[in-house]
Amino acid sequence: EVQLVESGGGLVQPGGSLRLSCAASGFTFSSYWMHWVRQAPGEGLVWVSRIDSDGGSTIYADSVKGRFIISRDNAKNTLYLQMDSLRAADTAVYYCARDGTHLDYWGQGTLVTVSS
Amino acid sequence: EIVLTQSPGTLSLSPGERATLSCRASQSVGSSYLAWYQQKAGQAPRLVIYGVSSRATGIPDRFSGSGSGTDLNLTINRLEPEDFAVYYCQHYGSSLVTFGQGTKLAIK
Repeated sequence: EVQLVESGGGLVQPGGSLRLSCAASGFTFSSYWMHWVRQAPGEGLVWVSRIDSDGGSTIYADSVKGRFIISRDNAKNTLYLQMDSLRAADTAVYYCARDGTHLDYWGQGTLVTVSS
Repeated sequence: EIVLTQSPGTLSLSPGERATLSCRASQSVGSSYLAWYQQKAGQAPRLVIYGVSSRATGIPDRFSGSGSGTDLNLTINRLEPEDFAVYYCQHYGSSLVTFGQGTKLAIK
């Protein structure tokens, strides 16, 4: 069974940093591109970033470019999102998703709250 | 970047009725790159339709996707209580992903 479990969310002050993790199981993690998608409270889905299967290619939404870094450790079957210079507008549930036939499996999400 | 506009914002129907949700793209999209997701309150999104018209694993055949070019539709026949949720269309092109703003399918 494919499982994606996010962790690392929490309350952080504006300007602070946080690293999210997404632990994958039930499939060959190293064969799949992966994404981060976020959802602000009461709002819609917003794509954040994508990484290819070996980590050699990454791409970001303009809203996070230069502040967030997506990475992965295929030996640990884990996807990461390093978030720096956090803003109130980054407050959201962050989901990791597998890129199979589109985003075919999603984790349950982890909440990031940026507030003083 | 392709912009996706979904309509209506909210669709109120009764169980047993048919729902038609619309997604309009700002430019023509390739058929391989359009999908629909269902999201229930407090849950992660779930892939429903990909490649415009292919049902994802475990999705019942009352769900169907159609359209081409800039106009795509998701149709749900004989609505069941568990179908009431928010639905998002999504485009995947040049490694960038965009979502529509969502349509809430509400019980009338």
